[in-house]
Formats: sequence, C-alpha cells, structure tokens
Amino acid sequence: KAGVTQTPRYLIKTRGQQVTLSCSPISGHRSVSWYQQTPGQGLQFLFEYFSETQRNKGNFPGRFSGRQFSNSRSEMNVSTLELGDSALYLCASSGTSFETQYFGPGTRLLVL
Amino acid sequence: AQTVTQSQPEMSVQEAETVTLSCTYDTSESDYYLFWYKQPPSRQMILVIRQEAYKQQNATENRFSVNFQKAAKSFSLKISDSQLGDAAMYFCAYRRSNAGGTSYGKLTFGQGTILTVHP
Repeated sequence: KAGVTQTPRYLIKTRGQQVTLSCSPISGHRSVSWYQQTPGQGLQFLFEYFSETQRNKGNFPGRFSGRQFSNSRSEMNVSTLELGDSALYLCASSGTSFETQYFGPGTRLLVL
Repeated sequence: AQTVTQSQPEMSVQEAETVTLSCTYDTSESDYYLFWYKQPPSRQMILVIRQEAYKQQNATENRFSVNFQKAAKSFSLKISDSQLGDAAMYFCAYRRSNAGGTSYGKLTFGQGTILTVHP
C-alpha cells in the first residue's frame, strides 16, 4: 500500500505571497492532519479533517486554512506569507480507528 | 491542556548497546494513546511504537520496547542492540482517545531527543 504523499516537496516563496500544499493519504484513510515543524516551536498541530469536515484546529491565525476533498486528499493554504511561516509542513493520515497517524515526507517551505 | 516533556535533548550510544529515552506527560484523561516516532535526517516521521493507556502490558516491537508507568505519567523508550540506522530525532507523542465518535486527532509532541549511534 502506498504511503502518504505530499507535494511539492520544496517550495520557495516571498513575503506576502500565498501557497497551497497538497497531501494524499494512504488509500482507505479518511482522516488527514497537518502539522508545522520549526526549530523554535517544534511540532505544532494545525488542523484535522475527516470526511471533508474540519474536526480540530490548532492555535494558528486565520491565514492558515485547509480543506479536504471527497477522495480524502487534503490541501492547506497559507495566505500573506510571513518569514516565520518558513517550516516543514507535515501531513498525516489515519484509518477509521483514528488511533495511529502515518506521516508523509513533508513539504519544506522557505519564505524570503 | 496536555503537555509532553522530553528532558534529554541529546543522547548517544555505542553500536550494539542499549539506550533509554525518557518522556513524561501531563493529562487529566484516563484513556489515551502514547507514541514514539523517529525522524531521521530525511525528515520523514516514522512510527516506532504505540501504547494504549488502558493496557498494562508494555508494548514491544522487535528491538524497541517501552516502560509505561501510568501513575507516574512516564513513557520511556528502550532501544536494544542499537544500530547505526537508529540514529535520528525521537519524538514522544500523546493523543486523546476518541469519545462518542469524536476524533481527537491532534498529536501533542515533546521537544525531541537527538540520538547519536557511535560505531
């Protein structure tokens, strides 16, 4: 079974721009969660989607948004990028029991 | 709010020897899950082992085992017969158990422990 995939793997943007990251979960998984990883703040939860509905949201500004499609693929969007948004963005999927999350390889975003 | 603390920023071990990584957590919940994830230089987060809080038996996966002390809110990872490929950042993580169909998908992570394996 293929793992979680994320695209693109690397991204360079400038301040003020917006960016969209994509995540395809493991086949059959309907829950997708997003995390931001930075050296200063560590791993922080962004949001979780299940069946196209946002179920949980972390403590991030409204510039961070996401959605999930009927095929369980998910996208997250960051508008008006700031330098502090430079991070590794990790996506994870879990099955119907929600117990264990399996992570993708991440998208490295650099904001200049 | 739940918190996870890893008090060892760095650890090192000789190849073939045993090392234990520490993790403590704080929660008022009685049912939850604990995880250890490994993140090598590739940055891919890999599940190492999982423990359900309602199970008294410590989880084991090949060379990896945990010492789960629920009353003490402690969850340490023991790596036996360490290999060069075990070198990575290790994260301890907590997740609430689901309730009434509600998913608490949020993982709360510790700060991580960098493990170096010396040949």
